[in-house]
Amino acid sequence: RKEVEQDPGPFNVPEGATVAFNCTYSNSASQSFFWYRQDCRKEPKLLMSVYSSGNEDGRFTAQLNRASQYISLLIRDSKLSDSATYLCVVGSSNTGKLIFGQGTTLQVKP
Amino acid sequence: SAVISQKPSRDICQRGTSLTIQCQVDSQVTMMFWYRQQPGQSLTLIATANQGSEATYESGFVIDKFPISRPNLTFSTLTVSNMSPEDSSIYLCSVGRKAGELFFGEGSRLTVL
Repeated sequence: RKEVEQDPGPFNVPEGATVAFNCTYSNSASQSFFWYRQDCRKEPKLLMSVYSSGNEDGRFTAQLNRASQYISLLIRDSKLSDSATYLCVVGSSNTGKLIFGQGTTLQVKP
Repeated sequence: SAVISQKPSRDICQRGTSLTIQCQVDSQVTMMFWYRQQPGQSLTLIATANQGSEATYESGFVIDKFPISRPNLTFSTLTVSNMSPEDSSIYLCSVGRKAGELFFGEGSRLTVL
């Protein structure tokens, strides 16, 4: 079983749609959680951290469920520019190492 | 944020040769890492580049195959030795300023024939 699992998609949605990505992780000792965004042929960039209480940044909302070892990312009012691969990332406080999921590809259509 | 320059940005190499990738950061950083991203896959950590000491390798990666240098806090190199087609990948340098927040270079796209 992979340490961080994501549905690879692709998710094809129209502009303005709301889309949600899910991610599960296997290591219950994981302490930090993030969503990164990777555009085609580009390097990954941090989108947002995920906090236990859930957090929002504009159209983006991240949620964490430690009991179920589950992380989600919700994108509201999708824009064409949201088209990218979204990587779920989990960190261990013990090692400081980050484990990347394989990513979920989003394609927003006009 | 950190500005990270990697070179070469891409290269096509012959089987059995070696390639050294350079990573230059615009400021001193403690944590520096090398990742690999194979086609259609996510990122896999190769090693942590330690300044002044040997790199710390992850399971499945060894120093003979991926020697790393870190002579100072702004520079590191990764060599891919005795290359085979399976080494075709994007190699990414990254630095961390705080837990979880990594900045990546643009990557070096390697194709081995």
